[in-house]
Parts: sequence; C-alpha cells; structure tokens
Amino acid sequence: DAKTTQPNSMESNEEEPVHLPCNHSTISGTDYIHWYRQLPSQGPEYVIHGLTSNVNNRMASLAIAEDRKSSTLILHRATLRDAAVYYCILRRSGNTPLVFGKGTRLSVIA
Amino acid sequence: DSGVTQTPKHLITATGQRVTLRCSPRSGDLSVYWYQQSLDQGLQFLIHYYNGEERAKGNILERFSAQQFPDLHSELNLSSLELGDSALYFCASSEFGTSGGTDTQYFGPGTRLTVL
Repeated sequence: DAKTTQPNSMESNEEEPVHLPCNHSTISGTDYIHWYRQLPSQGPEYVIHGLTSNVNNRMASLAIAEDRKSSTLILHRATLRDAAVYYCILRRSGNTPLVFGKGTRLSVIA
Repeated sequence: DSGVTQTPKHLITATGQRVTLRCSPRSGDLSVYWYQQSLDQGLQFLIHYYNGEERAKGNILERFSAQQFPDLHSELNLSSLELGDSALYFCASSEFGTSGGTDTQYFGPGTRLTVL
C-alpha cells in the first residue's frame, strides 16, 4: 500500500476552519483517498473520500492536488466535538482493508 | 450510532484463556472486517469476511480465528491469551461494492480486552 504522511498533531480554535494536510507522493492511479477519524473512546468514523476531484459532504471538504500527491481535509468550523485523531488512508478500488497510520491528533480550543 | 454492534463491551480474563468477541454488522452489509488497536501497534487489520467466506488476512496470529455465520454476524476467537493481546478490538462492516468503486466501512464501538 502507498504510504501517507501526516503531522502528528495540530491545534485549532473553536469555530475556526481547520486544514489537515496529507502527503501521498507514491499514490497510484487507482488509489482512492479516504479520511477517517477516531473520537476519544470510540471506533473510527468515516469522514470523506475522493479520487481526483474535490469533494464536499456535510462533515468536511476534501481538496486533492492536481498531481494527487497531496490532499487536505477541511473542517469549515471546528467544534469541540471535532477533537479526534484524523487518518488519511489510500485504498485501491474494490473492498480492501483500511491501513491506518498514526494520523493527526487534532485539538480544538474553546 | 454506526449500526454495528459489538459484544461484550469489556472483557477481563487471564493468560492462557480463550474468549469470543461478537460483531453484528449493519443491516444489509455483507462484509465484516476485524481490527486490533493497541497502544504500541496502533490500528491493525486482522481479517475480512464477505458473505461467510474469508477474503483477506492481515496481521492475525495463529492463536486467533474468526468466522462469519449465515446470518452475517461474525465472531473473533482468541485463544491461549497473552498479556500482549490486551487491546481494543473493532469490527467494521460494509456493503461489497464493485471493483470499480470503493466502500465505506462502519465501525462498531469496540471490545476492550484486558488479559491479566
């Protein structure tokens, strides 16, 4: 599986936008970019995924670089409930297991 | 609430014992994945079942086994338990998509296993 690189931790103020970066320079053409998050004491939770184009859903936006070697998860207004570990994961098409790295621990300050 | 249920929530047992963890997938989901989360190894994939058949194996020890039943629930059996098996065990379910697409996995709340 192609490797992703994320900062270990980030901090944000409540109600401010948050941009969580992910580098994946060895991404292949069939790799989807998935983001999951894990809130304290809970199982991982799907956030968003994309292939080539930017994507929006009710939780977040995903901005994918034109060369697909990096992507950014955007939380438009961080809340205290968004404090979690965010994982950027590459997956081949089909139904493959998730390969989790260490992720980015996001802290949100009131 | 993801719709995936896991029982028990907590399990405390002794070294050498055997335990069974249970997972009920979301209604209609045919795939079940098992993951282990420990402090030193992070979240690791163990095994994947689709509609009763094993599809992929990850870092699953020979002491561990799993199965998926006709009603699609799955059980993870851990035997000859060691202290290092203490971890959170998550299952996730998904619909089985086409090879041209990708699925979303929905995780259960996990079972916390403590081996003393």
